[in-house]
Amino acid sequence: TQLLEQSPQFLSIQEGENLTVYCNSSSVFSSLQWYRQEPGEGPVLLVTVVTGGEVKKLKRLTFQFGDARKDSSLHITAAQPGDTGLYLCAGGRWGKLQFGAGTQVVVTP
Amino acid sequence: DAMVIQNPRYQVTQFGKPVTLSCSQTLNHNVMYWYQQKSSQAPKLLFHYYDKDFNNEADTPDNFQSRRPNTSFCFLDIRSPGLGDAAMYLCATSTAPGTGGYTFGSGTRLTVV
Repeated sequence: TQLLEQSPQFLSIQEGENLTVYCNSSSVFSSLQWYRQEPGEGPVLLVTVVTGGEVKKLKRLTFQFGDARKDSSLHITAAQPGDTGLYLCAGGRWGKLQFGAGTQVVVTP
Repeated sequence: DAMVIQNPRYQVTQFGKPVTLSCSQTLNHNVMYWYQQKSSQAPKLLFHYYDKDFNNEADTPDNFQSRRPNTSFCFLDIRSPGLGDAAMYLCATSTAPGTGGYTFGSGTRLTVV
């Protein structure tokens, strides 16, 4: 059973379009992180959110942590081919980081 | 630049032949983790070291062992690799367990033939 459910599993869009990926759980997390992983590489940390309702922006990426700290979303504005990758959310709980299965995003020129 | 380095990037081993994967870090982080990631799946935590304390996940097979001789290095030993152990193995570090951002290495892709 996956503690963190990510949706959609796969997303293919054209350059310039917007996209949102979701990370949901029935459990409360002390913090939630988003990573991007490119083929053949390890995940790279994008952001950590710790406060319910928190919104963080990283250039064209907007991250939101749910008020109850059970869910999060990642919104990308005007996607570019360089945004292609596997987006993983990970929640901190009981001293461990639990990963979702990821959303594979493909941005075509 | 401070980083996490995994060697080798690609490893081919024979069924049942012991293999060791290595990880080094220059971040001086207290915690080092080993994750197994299979295609289209979430990274799965195998174990971690918090300083010298070893913490094994309950469902990690006995076939997988780890050593951390000092702060900078951590090794993953697979005693008798099976076909099902073919995966990407990721090493990560953090300052404390489950908190803050994790820094990952580039991974070792293990193939079992």
